[in-house]
Amino acid sequence: GAVVSQHPSRVICKSGTSVKIECRSLDFQATTMFWYRQFPKKSLMLMATSNEGSKATYEQGVEKDKFLINHASLTLSTLTVTSAHPEDSSFYICSARGALEQYFGPGTRLTVT
Amino acid sequence: AQSVSQHNHHVILSEAASLELGCNYSYGGTVNLFWYVQYPGQHLQLLLKYFSGDPLVKGIKGFEAEFIKSKFSFNLRKPSVQWSDTAEYFCAFGGNTGKLIFGQGTTLQVKP
Repeated sequence: GAVVSQHPSRVICKSGTSVKIECRSLDFQATTMFWYRQFPKKSLMLMATSNEGSKATYEQGVEKDKFLINHASLTLSTLTVTSAHPEDSSFYICSARGALEQYFGPGTRLTVT
Repeated sequence: AQSVSQHNHHVILSEAASLELGCNYSYGGTVNLFWYVQYPGQHLQLLLKYFSGDPLVKGIKGFEAEFIKSKFSFNLRKPSVQWSDTAEYFCAFGGNTGKLIFGQGTTLQVKP
């Protein structure tokens, strides 16, 4: 099946710094990618829809200036957590929309100290 | 608002027992329904999906699910679980935009 990768798999950063997470579709092109956040023992919460060549669409309650999304090519979307705070610590998962289904990345564990 | 509810948060079964995980959704229009599995330390993987047609859907690894429109349900079943089925299971609802709304997840623990 189709493969989606994320980099880094885990990152620790200091409060106030910014962190960029990459999501790549390795063997297919994806005009649409999605970013989710997963809290411990909780479900995945959709943060935003990333559209190649246009602005991302954010879900209600998600700060677009805090979580910057860029989808510059058909195989790459990036999520930048700006001025990170401890409450931003979480597991971030991306998915890429294929022809028949969404394919999920392995996730990125972000810890803000 | 669209939502998905999974009734069972943590299920513990012995090997060979039968499994049924409940999933209900709230939406009045055309629905696309999914069950995903997340094995420990691994990606989310699609188990099965329903778009239209036969309401009894068969997926991978012996799983199946039945879409009952009148009950707004899409329960997941497996007649005989194995230790390797230990994982987190998520029901999800999708619309035409491709966005998925996930249920809270069910942790399945199968004892050997």
